[in-house]
Amino acid sequence: DAKTTQPPSMDCAEGRAANLPCNHSTISGNEYVYWYRQIHSQGPQYIIHGLKNNETNEMASLIITEDRKSSTLILPHATLRDTAVYYCIVLLTGGGNKLTFGTGTQLKVEL
Amino acid sequence: GAVVSQHPSRVICKSGTSVKIECRSLDFQATTMFWYRQFPKKSLMLMATSNEGSKATYEQGVEKDKFLINHASLTLSTLTVTSAHPEDSSFYICSAWNTEAFFGQGTRLTVV
Repeated sequence: DAKTTQPPSMDCAEGRAANLPCNHSTISGNEYVYWYRQIHSQGPQYIIHGLKNNETNEMASLIITEDRKSSTLILPHATLRDTAVYYCIVLLTGGGNKLTFGTGTQLKVEL
Repeated sequence: GAVVSQHPSRVICKSGTSVKIECRSLDFQATTMFWYRQFPKKSLMLMATSNEGSKATYEQGVEKDKFLINHASLTLSTLTVTSAHPEDSSFYICSAWNTEAFFGQGTRLTVV
């Protein structure tokens, strides 16, 4: 599976959009981009995933560049409860395989 | 949505004893489940892949005789930490795939 690179930490004001970048320059054509987050002392929570098209759900939007070498997770209106570690993971088949977690981005949402 | 449940959420045990952690998929069947370990301020590290009806597959460096995994049914996998020592104190998390990977709430193990 392709390796990902994320900034170690980011801050965001409550109510503002949080844009979390992820580089995955070695991604291959059939690898999906998954995003999970982990709130302190809990199990990771699925956020969103995509292959090449931009995706949106009730939690977030995922923007994948045309060359698929990077992506951005957007939380449109961050709240204090969005404070968590966000993990960008690239996965070969899109389902059923083991997830390999990098170091992620610690997002701190502040008043 | 799909739910994965772990039990117990917290456990304290004495050195030398064994501890069993259960992972259940509540509303779907999972032929494969995954066990992770997480130390403070660190990322999740995959320990092993639990396969229903067959032996688990362990990641490099994980002692299979110390971390016993049993996946006897399509909804239950167990991880037993045998002869626990203080260095085994950690946060253990399981996951199972449905439409995406769902994670349990984790088990905080403290060995005293």
